Amino acid sequence: NAGVTQTPKFRILKIGQSMTLQCTQDMNHNYMYWYRQDPGMGLKLIYYSVGAGITDKGEVPNGYNVSRSTTEDFPLRLELAAPSQTSVYFCASRGTEVSNQPQHFGDGTRLSIL
Amino acid sequence: QKEVEQDPGPLSVPEGAIVSLNCTYSNSAFQYFMWYRQYSRKGPELLMYTYSSGNKEDGRFTAQVDKSSKYISLFIRDSQPSDSATYLCAMGVQGAQKLVFGQGTRLTINP
Repeated sequence: NAGVTQTPKFRILKIGQSMTLQCTQDMNHNYMYWYRQDPGMGLKLIYYSVGAGITDKGEVPNGYNVSRSTTEDFPLRLELAAPSQTSVYFCASRGTEVSNQPQHFGDGTRLSIL
Repeated sequence: QKEVEQDPGPLSVPEGAIVSLNCTYSNSAFQYFMWYRQYSRKGPELLMYTYSSGNKEDGRFTAQVDKSSKYISLFIRDSQPSDSATYLCAMGVQGAQKLVFGQGTRLTINP
């Protein structure tokens, strides 16, 4: 009963490096989301997807890219990492087209850019 | 002005106390309201949701919505140390794909 799985759990990057945060879900959910959470700032939406091949920007997309080639996977790519991208990143999914249904979250990736 | 405002706390109360967590919002288009609980080093999990003004009760938890005042609350009765977590309010519009989250309130229940 895995739900939403995020890897890695922790990562330290140097400024200017790039990396991909992985997210996979086994619930056959169409809707997937990437958030970042900074202390005292709640969850900010980075990108979201309503199905394979369809992605859209959220509130804070600059410095990130996403792709959605399968229903299960929704990786988040950081190009040219900057200290401002130090944060905890959460991936979430939702199954139905009814927007008031809950989102299911992974346990996050803690990323530090030094 | 932020769409959703939530007092970040931290809030510390003794075991058995009644806890009140609150959010205000500015967008009158919001139609449904959620409370998520987030334990340390974990992702948020849905605790309660409602889409009408009034109260909704689930065990020791009561969610209250006042759309006229743009104000929602979560009450925890007989609080337990296991309730220690960060609580996030979230709200959305029917048909929209996105939720708007509050900043989260960190709550500690002391034995």
